[in-house]
Amino acid sequence: SQQGEEDPQALSIQEGENATMNCSYKTSINNLQWYRQNSGRGLVHLILIRSNEREKHSGRLRVTLDTSKKSSSLLITASRAADTASYFCATVRNTGGFKTIFGAGTRLFVKA
Amino acid sequence: GAGVSQSPSNKVTEKGKDVELRCDPISGHTALYWYRQSLGQGLEFLIYFQGNSAPDKSGLPSDRFSAERTGGSVSTLTIQRTQQEDSAVYLCASSLSQGGIAGELFFGEGSRLTVL
Repeated sequence: SQQGEEDPQALSIQEGENATMNCSYKTSINNLQWYRQNSGRGLVHLILIRSNEREKHSGRLRVTLDTSKKSSSLLITASRAADTASYFCATVRNTGGFKTIFGAGTRLFVKA
Repeated sequence: GAGVSQSPSNKVTEKGKDVELRCDPISGHTALYWYRQSLGQGLEFLIYFQGNSAPDKSGLPSDRFSAERTGGSVSTLTIQRTQQEDSAVYLCASSLSQGGIAGELFFGEGSRLTVL
């Protein structure tokens, strides 16, 4: 089974609003990453947060990690129509190597 | 090359035929992953290669699926006796782990497989 579960499954907001997506996972992790997918093909890495970090920022993105609750959130501030995409969290476990497992994703639609 | 390259980008085959999907990772990346994505769904982990270690094949859905990585570089995912439920986009990714921290994954554009 997949390691990460995102919610909501889909989110529709107006341009300028903030979008928050959540991710829960089941086992201990090395780090957690968020990715974006525009067209159902390749994914693009957005941000990585290590297990000993609690919050990280990158431009309009803010990621939090709560290892006690095994959850993470991705906040996109001042959303734009171009932010419309699917967003996936990926948990990385140290299994001798680093195994990366993706959740089901959140589909974000930003209306202009 | 500059990025992860996958071929073919699209493959249409008849049920029962074998297919091979190729992935050229970023040079020097030690880890290589294969995932499968059905329409509108998340990424299903298939297999993971890390350096010279034995691959983690725990995600392969059946013994019709196999993968190899030659010389620690190019990887081939083979699906034998394809079935209609194998239709999906097959995504390859590579990464470089340093200092005990797993790095980000770099994805190819995927191979879209359609089994008629």
